[in-house]
Amino acid sequence: DTGVSQNPRHKITKRGQNVTFRCDPISEHNRLYWYRQTLGQGPEFLTYFQNEAQLEKSRLLSDRFSAERPKGSFSTLEIQRTEQGDSAMYLCASSSIGTSYEQYFGPGTRLTVT
Amino acid sequence: DQQVKQNSPSLSVQEGRISILNCDYTNSMFDYFLWYKKYPAEGPTFLISISSIKDKNEDGRFTVFLNKSAKHLSLHIVPSQPGDSAVYFCAASAGAGGTSYGKLTFGQGTILTVHP
Repeated sequence: DTGVSQNPRHKITKRGQNVTFRCDPISEHNRLYWYRQTLGQGPEFLTYFQNEAQLEKSRLLSDRFSAERPKGSFSTLEIQRTEQGDSAMYLCASSSIGTSYEQYFGPGTRLTVT
Repeated sequence: DQQVKQNSPSLSVQEGRISILNCDYTNSMFDYFLWYKKYPAEGPTFLISISSIKDKNEDGRFTVFLNKSAKHLSLHIVPSQPGDSAVYFCAASAGAGGTSYGKLTFGQGTILTVHP
């Protein structure tokens, strides 16, 4: 078990560009979560999947953000027309249904929008 | 609206002494509480948790206390070790079952430094 992996680890983009991040959860975990963390704050919930179904989305997730989890395995988070306010660490976590509270986090993707 | 608050941004403790990290919450629907530890360049790592039906949970050097009437929880680390130096996040979740199951609300974090 290699844990949760996220790619890329760092992304620098210009305002207005689109970016896509990938998360590979622990293989036997059927729940997958996306969080965003800004400097000096704790992670903030964005959305989560149970298998391939997206069950909840935060109001933080504007229409420029979209997340997918095809076939209930890896997940992607896309941000269209990036803004400077999107600069943050994007964290992915996974868990089993029976222990959903105990989430295993990846190392995150740090996005910088210039 | 910060539903989970960690009012101490940092805490400095001598090795071997007790570290006490505090957390307050406002949402009475929260029924499960967790502490995560985060090292630089890594994601948060689950440390210990407690259900609202308990007031204490212990795991080795780590003990979490929950005071529901005060909406307050604390993490005690005894004895503290230099390797415990990290950012500690308190998190809470509401409603076993339903669409919010597993959604965590985090506090801002407390930077713990344990000096040798």
